Amino acid sequence: GAVVSQHPSWVICKSGTSVKIECRSLDFQATTMFWYRQFPKQSLMLMATSNEGSKATYEQGVEKDKFLINHASLTLSTLTVTSAHPEDSSFYICSASREEHTQYFGPGTRLTVL
Amino acid sequence: GENVEQHPSTLSVQEGDSAVIKCTYSDSASNYFPWYKQELGKGPQLIIDIRSNVGEKKDQRIAVTLNKTAKHFSLHITETQPEDSAVYFCAAGGSQGNLIFGKGTKLSVKP
Repeated sequence: GAVVSQHPSWVICKSGTSVKIECRSLDFQATTMFWYRQFPKQSLMLMATSNEGSKATYEQGVEKDKFLINHASLTLSTLTVTSAHPEDSSFYICSASREEHTQYFGPGTRLTVL
Repeated sequence: GENVEQHPSTLSVQEGDSAVIKCTYSDSASNYFPWYKQELGKGPQLIIDIRSNVGEKKDQRIAVTLNKTAKHFSLHITETQPEDSAVYFCAAGGSQGNLIFGKGTKLSVKP
């Protein structure tokens, strides 16, 4: 149990366009979902925390108008990178939690902005 | 603020040897300590976790020990195999229900 999927696994887009990434908990209901960004050879950087039906809480320095998070149900959260630019290119990973602190991660989405 | 230090940053062992990765945390209120394995291009996989009401937990070749007094916890992998090669991250449960991650250890197991 505790399987989390992400879609797409990779995406290439042009500068200025928006990209949506989906995160789903497949076999459990997630009270909280998290979105991370990871640069090569670095640790995970938490971007935001979201609970179903409420607004996401963003970490300091993360632009909420650029990285839109929607947590529509207990099994689905989406991250939309708006007006993407090359510096937004990164590996984005979501995680889902069904009890305090325990997080199960998705496989990640590689975003490349040309 | 909350912080997790992880050592070493790289570790190379021969197949069959043991590997130990150590972490220290700053928030004495932390009570949950997971370890994740991340292979190249994939998301982190939870391999073992421990809560502060126990001092040690074992799952086949993997064990985690926790010393709450010293605020240390360690991952032990015995009889290492080439497929154990990956980046391992420790984490500590934060006050906001989040996880504070260490910087990772790249483990290489040489056949």
